[in-house]
Amino acid sequence: KAGVTQTPRYLIKTRGQQVTLSCSPISGHRSVSWYQQTPGQGLQFLFEYFSETQRNKGNFPGRFSGRQFSNSRSEMNVSTLELGDSALYLCASSPWWDTEAFFGQGTRLTVV
Amino acid sequence: SQQGEEDPQALSIQEGENATMNCSYKTSINNLQWYRQNSGRGLVHLILIRSNEREKHSGRLRVTLDTSKKSSSLLITASRAADTASYFCARPETSGSRLTFGEGTQLTVNP
Repeated sequence: KAGVTQTPRYLIKTRGQQVTLSCSPISGHRSVSWYQQTPGQGLQFLFEYFSETQRNKGNFPGRFSGRQFSNSRSEMNVSTLELGDSALYLCASSPWWDTEAFFGQGTRLTVV
Repeated sequence: SQQGEEDPQALSIQEGENATMNCSYKTSINNLQWYRQNSGRGLVHLILIRSNEREKHSGRLRVTLDTSKKSSSLLITASRAADTASYFCARPETSGSRLTFGEGTQLTVNP
């Protein structure tokens, strides 16, 4: 089975721009979650989607949004980028809730 | 913000030694999960232990859970240089797949 695939792996953007990150979950997994990892804040939950519905949202500003498609693939978007958005963005998929999560390799976003 | 605490924050040992990492949490759980992260890469799931379990093994890994103390520990026996990584405990929310992570323990195994 193919693992969780995140694209792109690396990204450099300028302040004020927007960015879209993509995540393809493991086949058959319906739950997709996104996390932001920074040295200062650690791993922070962004949002979770299950069957195209957002189930949970973390404490992030409205500039952070996401969606899930009918094939379970998910995208997250960050608008009006700030320097503080520089981070490793991780996507995880799960077959169901209350089970282990399988993570992608992440997208390293650098905002300059 | 993190709702779990792990200690130590950093641990440096020699190959062949055992490494023990501890995790504490504040609310009730259905299960507790441990993950490993090699530098700047994705997390790899290690072990999931349910609230009605006290101990679980996987190869050289042993996880214990004490729900009365709201704490868990991860023991890596006969460590290898390849075990060098950050180790996180994670607690799922009661609904959904949202995980709350601890701050992690940076383990360095010296050859």
